[in-house]
Amino acid sequence: EVQLVESGGGLAKPGGSLRLSCGGSGFIFSNAWLNWVRQAPGKGLEWIGRIKSKPDGGTTEYSAPVKGRFVISRDDSKNTVYLQMDSLTTEDTAVYYCSTGLYFDFWGQGALVTVSS
Amino acid sequence: DIVMTQSPDSLAVSLGERATINCKSSQSVLYSSNNKDYFAWFQQKPGQPPKLLIYWATTRESGVPDRFSGSGSGTDFTLTISSLQAEDVAVYYCQQYYSNPYTFGQGTKLEIK
Repeated sequence: EVQLVESGGGLAKPGGSLRLSCGGSGFIFSNAWLNWVRQAPGKGLEWIGRIKSKPDGGTTEYSAPVKGRFVISRDDSKNTVYLQMDSLTTEDTAVYYCSTGLYFDFWGQGALVTVSS
Repeated sequence: DIVMTQSPDSLAVSLGERATINCKSSQSVLYSSNNKDYFAWFQQKPGQPPKLLIYWATTRESGVPDRFSGSGSGTDFTLTISSLQAEDVAVYYCQQYYSNPYTFGQGTKLEIK
């Protein structure tokens, strides 16, 4: 059974940083493309970034609102993908989901990030 | 950016009746080299993550009931639930995975009439 578990959410101050982790099991993690998607309270879904598998180049892509502030990395030896979030603003308050693949076939339960002074 | 626009924003349908949700993309998401539409539908119930229902516009994800079907190509797509069940109450999102940023529609809230 495929499982994705996000961790590391919590409260951060504006201008602060937070790192989310997403651990995967039940699939060949090293071959997976991994996405981060967020959902602000009561709002819709927003894709924020992706990291491809190392066999496919291991490259990253980001949406404009987070480019230059957020960094996605992966450690295939730990079956984990990371989302390093810097220069946080209140607009970054959301539930953050990791999801697999080109068409987002599996999702974690999400991690709540609250940015507030 | 490709803008995904869903209609309607909300929908109330009687149990056993058909529900139809539409999604229009601001540009084609059909990739000519493989003739595939890079388009998906998701279902999200309260307090849960989204769940993939349909990908490549018409392919039902494993385990998804066959009352869910996707149609369309290019810029116009439809999700049809042939006979609404109580457990289908949710918000439905369309998404294109054709080009960065991989945008979602605004969501359609489906309720029981």
